[in-house]
Amino acid sequence: DTQMTQSPSSLSASVGDKVTITCRASQNSGNYLNWYQQKPGKAPNLLIYAASNLENGVPSRFSGSGFGTDFTLTISSLQPEDFATYYCQQTFSVPLTFGGGTRVEIK
Amino acid sequence: EVQLVESGGGLVKPGGSLRLSCAASGFTFSNSLMTWARRPPGKGLEWVGRIKSKTDGGTTDYATAVKGRFTISRDDSKSTLFLQMTSLRTEDTAVYYCTRGGAWGQGTLVTVSS
Repeated sequence: DTQMTQSPSSLSASVGDKVTITCRASQNSGNYLNWYQQKPGKAPNLLIYAASNLENGVPSRFSGSGFGTDFTLTISSLQPEDFATYYCQQTFSVPLTFGGGTRVEIK
Repeated sequence: EVQLVESGGGLVKPGGSLRLSCAASGFTFSNSLMTWARRPPGKGLEWVGRIKSKTDGGTTDYATAVKGRFTISRDDSKSTLFLQMTSLRTEDTAVYYCTRGGAWGQGTLVTVSS
């Protein structure tokens, strides 16, 4: 199985801050990498697919980059509605696997 | 608009079985790859498994933790996805989600406890 390691596991930030979350795959995953946002009691919301493509309706302050084993999600200017948990997921090889999540909290 | 509505969750004893359903609408279900995922309480998301469309072979794939115990199936005539869970363990306690691409249902809670 491909292990997905996210860092940090949690972070505290202020509105307006730039936030970067990293995801490392234990095996080459090409650009088969999704990023999700999940808020308490809600279903996950797809933000980025194929490593760097913004899902329809997702604000442009979210961006993704990377290829192979190292990936990054960046929020350019954190907004109040962005406080949530973020997950990466590789879709290159079965079984598909998620990272452990990064909880973004208010400083 | 894509809609996915899960049902069938509840309380079950260890070793028991449960069948979840997912009613789909707003897209051509028969042509779609469908997936189940879950989130255990206090933990992160886990991929459970998937089923391809019949035109792509209708094959299934499963996470290591559920292989041999869970079975995914589909009824294209009713646009419904199923997850048959057997030999349930306490660690299977989670909210179970049906997904299609970036669309997710709201989930159904399965609690495995004596």
